[in-house]
Amino acid sequence: DQQVKQNSPSLSVQEGRISILNCDYTNSMFDYFLWYKKYPAEGPTFLISISSIKDKNEDGRFTVFLNKSAKHLSLHIVPSQPGDSAVYFCAASGAPSGGSYIPTFGRGTSLIVHP
Amino acid sequence: ETGVTQTPRHLVMGMTNKKSLKCEQHLGHNAMYWYKQSAKKPLELMFVYNFKEQTENNSVPSRFSPECPNSSHLFLHLHTLQPEDSALYLCASSQEGRNHSPLHFGNGTRLTVT
Repeated sequence: DQQVKQNSPSLSVQEGRISILNCDYTNSMFDYFLWYKKYPAEGPTFLISISSIKDKNEDGRFTVFLNKSAKHLSLHIVPSQPGDSAVYFCAASGAPSGGSYIPTFGRGTSLIVHP
Repeated sequence: ETGVTQTPRHLVMGMTNKKSLKCEQHLGHNAMYWYKQSAKKPLELMFVYNFKEQTENNSVPSRFSPECPNSSHLFLHLHTLQPEDSALYLCASSQEGRNHSPLHFGNGTRLTVT
């Protein structure tokens, strides 16, 4: 059973507009959430994260919002640029198992930003 | 050279072959991971090594055999694979003991089993 769900496999946005990528989770033990970005032929790279004690974290054009009661988080990219076109993975981690905070990943959402 | 390096980038092998994937990290991290990425599936954790000791084995078939000789190197030995094992295999590293340290991924090995 998937604990981290990204229900939109793809998203298409016009350059300059806002991109909103969504992620839902089921495990209430998760307390830390991360977004990774992946270009073709490259590995995922860490983008931004948020702790469950916050509901918003901003880094430049990227903002992550967390709604704990709904077990939902979203990544906002404003303004979107063609270079943002990539697959975005949502990940969540919780109480350590065996002393390790290993994240659980979603399936990813492919973002295409059109010029 | 910095970051996480994986070789080879591409590998085609028959079901009776034996091959190995190699990963090296230059970040001074103490934990290394193997993930599998198949089309339209989440990243699947396969193995975790923490201070060279295997701490996770997510019910991976025995035809995949990991080896971690030191904290900078990680191997995945492959033998008698099946076509459904074709996927992108990603290595990652992190600094355990530092809460929620993000994973640093290599560029992966694209494996095709014929």
